[in-house]
Amino acid sequence: KQEVTQIPAALSVPEGENLVLNCSFTDSAIYNLQWFRQDPGKGLTSLLLIQSSQREQTSGRLNASLDKSSGRSTLYIAASQPGDSATYLCAVRGRSGGGADGLTFGKGTHLIIQP
Amino acid sequence: GAVVSQHPSRVICKSGTSVKIECRSLDFQATTMFWYRQFPKQSLMLMATSNEGSKATYEQGVEKDKFLINHASLTLSTLTVTSAHPEDSSFYICSARLSTGSGELFFGEGSRLTVL
Repeated sequence: KQEVTQIPAALSVPEGENLVLNCSFTDSAIYNLQWFRQDPGKGLTSLLLIQSSQREQTSGRLNASLDKSSGRSTLYIAASQPGDSATYLCAVRGRSGGGADGLTFGKGTHLIIQP
Repeated sequence: GAVVSQHPSRVICKSGTSVKIECRSLDFQATTMFWYRQFPKQSLMLMATSNEGSKATYEQGVEKDKFLINHASLTLSTLTVTSAHPEDSSFYICSARLSTGSGELFFGEGSRLTVL
């Protein structure tokens, strides 16, 4: 059964710092991995999707990497801003586990960027 | 990216009444949509898969007579919480998957249900 772990559970850093959020998964037989952002009381916003054949994806100040063999993904945020404060969720779409949507979610990293 | 819209964003109702939540894919067709429930500080829990033109598929432990799902068109799925009780109070989120290409999931803004 697929399990997704996100470390750290919470992170608070000063504005301007570069930071890395980690996601690990137990079963490497995946189709893709998706990073989401969730603001309090809101739905999920898709940030980046990495297919299993890809190593990384970039969007603006965000860069996500995928090492399928080791079951790891990182989300790199450059030059953090207070507006980046949110909960970041990692979800794996795999061949094992997950629901009918095929996704297994991590519990998220709650990020606070201090002005 | 593709846009999924949910309505209403917040709803308060009395115990025993029914509440309908709509999920629309605005700029793409979605043959499959998903409904989730999220408790405070927890991740999403998949409730059911909404299939256009056929019956929904419910996850284990989710009462299908309690949570009615209708997917009458390629852009609209509805979740009706019937005979609502305070324990049904939660945050409900829908998602839709692009039927072609990456298979990326797009989520609605969520609906906060409070049952008094």
